[in-house]
Amino acid sequence: AQKITQTQPGMFVQEKEAVTLDCTYDTSDPSYGLFWYKQPSSGEMIFLIYQGSYDQQNATEGRYSLNFQKARKSANLVISASQLGDSAMYFCAMRPNTGGFKTIFGAGTRLFVKA
Amino acid sequence: DVKVTQSSRYLVKRTGEKVFLECVQDMDHENMFWYRQDPGLGLRLIYFSYDVKMKEKGDIPEGYSVSREKKERFSLILESASTNQTSMYLCASNSGQEGTGELFFGEGSRLTVL
Repeated sequence: AQKITQTQPGMFVQEKEAVTLDCTYDTSDPSYGLFWYKQPSSGEMIFLIYQGSYDQQNATEGRYSLNFQKARKSANLVISASQLGDSAMYFCAMRPNTGGFKTIFGAGTRLFVKA
Repeated sequence: DVKVTQSSRYLVKRTGEKVFLECVQDMDHENMFWYRQDPGLGLRLIYFSYDVKMKEKGDIPEGYSVSREKKERFSLILESASTNQTSMYLCASNSGQEGTGELFFGEGSRLTVL
């Protein structure tokens, strides 16, 4: 069965510091995509970053980078230079490349950025 | 601006009522999804559809059904609402052909069943 595990229910980070949000996954599919989404208190879901399972390099999008370790089945999100606006829920998600693009999510990590 | 629109942001229903949650997307996406979001559980997939009139069960389909008569519209139906279906419901869509397969979400429908 496919599963996403986020072991940090909540985290604090000082403004301007970097923070890593953990994500491990389990799948038997050889090809899949990994995603991170942000959900601010307003409730909207915002796509942040994508990593394909066959991508050789870690994905980066501005201050976001994805630390992809395929053998360990981990896909941690690194946010550099945290800002107050980064305070939100963060969800890790996985989509196997078979089965109609079905995407499953982890339980989420709530990030608090302190001034 | 691309959009996924959910018909109701807030609903209050009584136990046993039939509930319809509607979702429309304007991006010509093949795939559409219904999730429910509960604290500590993240988003759990109820049903998804990869084509008109096609549907697949997700991880928690019990107590729900869906309808997709047109490509742009995906409805979630609670035949007889129960209090344990009080939750936030999120509709999403993505393309099966282009891009990364990222999901585009609606604003959510918060359902309270009394």
